[in-house]
Amino acid sequence: DTGVSQDPRHKITKRGQNVTFRCDPISEHNRLYWYRQTLGQGPEFLTYFQNEAQLEKSRLLSDRFSAERPKGSFSTLEIQRTEQGDSAMYLCASSPPRRTSRNTGELFFGEGSRLTVL
Amino acid sequence: AQSVTQPDIHITVSEGASLELRCNYSYGATPYLFWYVQSPGQGLQLLLKYFSGDTLVQGIKGFEAEFKRSQSSFNLRKPSVHWSDAAEYFCAVGFSGGYQKVTFGTGTKLQVIP
Repeated sequence: DTGVSQDPRHKITKRGQNVTFRCDPISEHNRLYWYRQTLGQGPEFLTYFQNEAQLEKSRLLSDRFSAERPKGSFSTLEIQRTEQGDSAMYLCASSPPRRTSRNTGELFFGEGSRLTVL
Repeated sequence: AQSVTQPDIHITVSEGASLELRCNYSYGATPYLFWYVQSPGQGLQLLLKYFSGDTLVQGIKGFEAEFKRSQSSFNLRKPSVHWSDAAEYFCAVGFSGGYQKVTFGTGTKLQVIP
């Protein structure tokens, strides 16, 4: 049973460039979440997908951010015109369908994609 | 809105000593409560969770936590800390809505000294 995988693990970019992160959730998990974690802070919720539908977006997700999950499997998070304030760890998590025996309430996290904007 | 407070940013304990990490939450109904651990450069791993029932919950790696509704607290404890426990610990609160939106505290960084 492979875990949540994220790619790339590290990305260094110049201000103004676009970046895209990919998340592959655990295969039977239909729920997928993106969080952002800055230094010294806990993860902050960005957005949530159930299958391919994006059901909630945080106000933290400005119009420069877009997330997709086109086939209900992997997801991408794109940041356009990056700013230095976007430097953070972007964490993806997944969880199984709510009413299943495998749903223990746990979010399963990937190891994150660290973004540095110069 | 739900929120979590971890008042201790950094804690240092000696190996073999006991540990208690504090967590207070704010939520209008019965919350789902979690403790996660994060080692440097790693994702988050669930230590334990509380949904209902027994207010003392056991987790992995010898950790336990006690839910106290009257104090809105969910403190994490371990009777004897090992050097490998050095990491950052996050308390989190969720709710039994349509999905598991989880709000995290700011974390407590644990240092273990010989």
